[in-house]
Amino acid sequence: NAGVTQTPKFRVLKTGQSMTLLCAQDMNHEYMYWYRQDPGMGLRLIHYSVGEGTTAKGEVPDGYNVSRLKKQNFLLGLESAAPSQTSVYFCASSASWGAMGEQYFGPGTRLTVT
Amino acid sequence: GQQVMQIPQYQHVQEGEDFTTYCNSSTTLSNIQWYKQRPGGHPVFLIQLVKSGEVKKQKRLTFQFGEAKKNSSLHITATQTTDVGTYFCATTYSGAGSYQLTFGKGTKLSVIP
Repeated sequence: NAGVTQTPKFRVLKTGQSMTLLCAQDMNHEYMYWYRQDPGMGLRLIHYSVGEGTTAKGEVPDGYNVSRLKKQNFLLGLESAAPSQTSVYFCASSASWGAMGEQYFGPGTRLTVT
Repeated sequence: GQQVMQIPQYQHVQEGEDFTTYCNSSTTLSNIQWYKQRPGGHPVFLIQLVKSGEVKKQKRLTFQFGEAKKNSSLHITATQTTDVGTYFCATTYSGAGSYQLTFGKGTKLSVIP
């Protein structure tokens, strides 16, 4: 099993450009999450999904949109990138909700917005 | 949302020394998870604690959940260079009818060979 995979691994955007980050998991997990990680800030939840076709806002959702059209995929979109969105983005999935089940993280996407 | 504070932010130890990181909350926690992130890597789940006073061990790692369920600790005995990384605690909080996992800011461990 590949676990959780993310594409791309690195990306440089100019302010105002758009892009989509793709997360895929092969563990048949219901729950999926997008986090951002900034130096000294830990991991902050952007959006999450409790199942195919559902999405919800996390702690820092502004400037991002998500979609979960298929159970195994969770997409994170930036419609108009801003330098403040320079970060490392991690996708995660879990079989159980919240902290009742461990979360499996992907390798991350390092995004730089100039 | 529920906040968990981790101390220290950084810790440098000589190889073979012990290391402890603490996770504190002003409110009672329902559970605690611990994750490790190696430099350049992604967080990896270590353990979950749910019971008051719970103690769990994984080889040289000892995890504790306080009696009042307001704090937790991770202790590493005789550190090795393979222990280098950032250790995060995380806990569930509920809000707006849903549950979210909130992370502490982590303790970055450096081990000097």
